[in-house]
Amino acid sequence: DTGVSQDPRHKITKRGQNVTFRCDPISEHNRLYWYRQTLGQGPEFLTYFQNEAQLEKSRLLSDRFSAERPKGSFSTLEIQRTEQGDSAMYLCASRNPKEGAEQYFGPGTRLTVT
Amino acid sequence: AQSVTQPDIHITVSEGASLELRCNYSYGATPYLFWYVQSPGQGLQLLLKYFSGDTLVQGIKGFEAEFKRSQSSFNLRKPSVHWSDAAEYFCAVGNTGGFKTIFGAGTRLFVKA
Repeated sequence: DTGVSQDPRHKITKRGQNVTFRCDPISEHNRLYWYRQTLGQGPEFLTYFQNEAQLEKSRLLSDRFSAERPKGSFSTLEIQRTEQGDSAMYLCASRNPKEGAEQYFGPGTRLTVT
Repeated sequence: AQSVTQPDIHITVSEGASLELRCNYSYGATPYLFWYVQSPGQGLQLLLKYFSGDTLVQGIKGFEAEFKRSQSSFNLRKPSVHWSDAAEYFCAVGNTGGFKTIFGAGTRLFVKA
């Protein structure tokens, strides 16, 4: 098991561009989470999937953000019309409820909007 | 509302000295509690967790934490710090079933020789 992977690790984009991030969870983990972490803060919950169903979205997830998990495996997070305030680390985590409540995190995608 | 408070933004300890990182939580039911560590540019690694039972829990890398319900605290301790322990430490609380996790703002640990 290689753990949770995220791609890309770093992304620099200009304001107004669209970006998409990918997360591959640990196999057989049916729960998948997205968090955002800004400098000096802890991760903040964005959204959560159980298999392919998106069960909750934070108020932090504006209309410019969309997340999908079409086949219940990998997930994508898209940000449209990026703003400088979107600059952050985007973390993905996965969990297998049968193994406990802890979540396993990927290395994150660092987004810089110029 | 659920929340986690880590009162210390940063702490500096000498290598070999003991360490205690403070964490207080606000939660309406029996919480699931976690400590994670994050090295620069890396994701979060789970150090230890508490769900129920013995209130003193052991984790990886020689860390332990004690759950005190009366104080709503879950402090992290290590008897002897190593230089490699320098990192950011996050306390977190999960609701029943681990639906989502609420993190504190973190405590950055510096280790001096």
